[in-house]
Amino acid sequence: DGGITQSPKYLFRKEGQNVTLSCEQNLNHDAMYWYRQDPGQGLRLIYYSQIVNDFQKGDIAEGYSVSREKKESFPLTVTSAQKNPTAFYLCASSFLQSYGYTFGSGTRLTVV
Amino acid sequence: EDKVVQSPLSLVVHEGDTVTLNCSYEVTNFRSLLWYKQEKKAPTFLFMLTSSGIEKKSGRLSSILDKKELSSILNITATQTGDSAIYLCAGGAGGTSYGKLTFGQGTILTVHP
Repeated sequence: DGGITQSPKYLFRKEGQNVTLSCEQNLNHDAMYWYRQDPGQGLRLIYYSQIVNDFQKGDIAEGYSVSREKKESFPLTVTSAQKNPTAFYLCASSFLQSYGYTFGSGTRLTVV
Repeated sequence: EDKVVQSPLSLVVHEGDTVTLNCSYEVTNFRSLLWYKQEKKAPTFLFMLTSSGIEKKSGRLSSILDKKELSSILNITATQTGDSAIYLCAGGAGGTSYGKLTFGQGTILTVHP
């Protein structure tokens, strides 16, 4: 079955550590997106990519980095520069110039 | 910077009540307005509105877009406990950012039996 997979579902990070969240899709989608959601709030765009080897900053890119080396994969690294990383992270994908997003099930990141 | 604002931020009602959720947007090269329902993890799609003044309906849910006022409303009639969720509104950009969605803060709806 086609879909989008995020892993891990839960992640704990010590202060000062970098962690990487995985997002993989087999839908042949061109565009991929990373959103952050804080408790009881909406989604804020971190980074997005419309084509392999290219990506753009969203509204809250500071402290995060991404890569898009393969069409299927769009990993997000939460660096130690992100001062308040505890949140729910959602990955989404779509065909180019489409609002038909498919969302992953999310990764809940907690700083311990 | 694109911006989407929802109101109210939270709402508590009883089963059978009718609710109206509001969304206003400022999106460069605006193309479409989307509504999602989020119960636990991934948001699920409800409506996409592109034309002003045309109501979209699905069962007890309906939505309409007002391009002149840069706003949209989502109505839920005869609410049920299963309607309890976060309702998200998103503005869809056009131009070189076609496909990019900017989400609002969400409205947390709680329906009591």
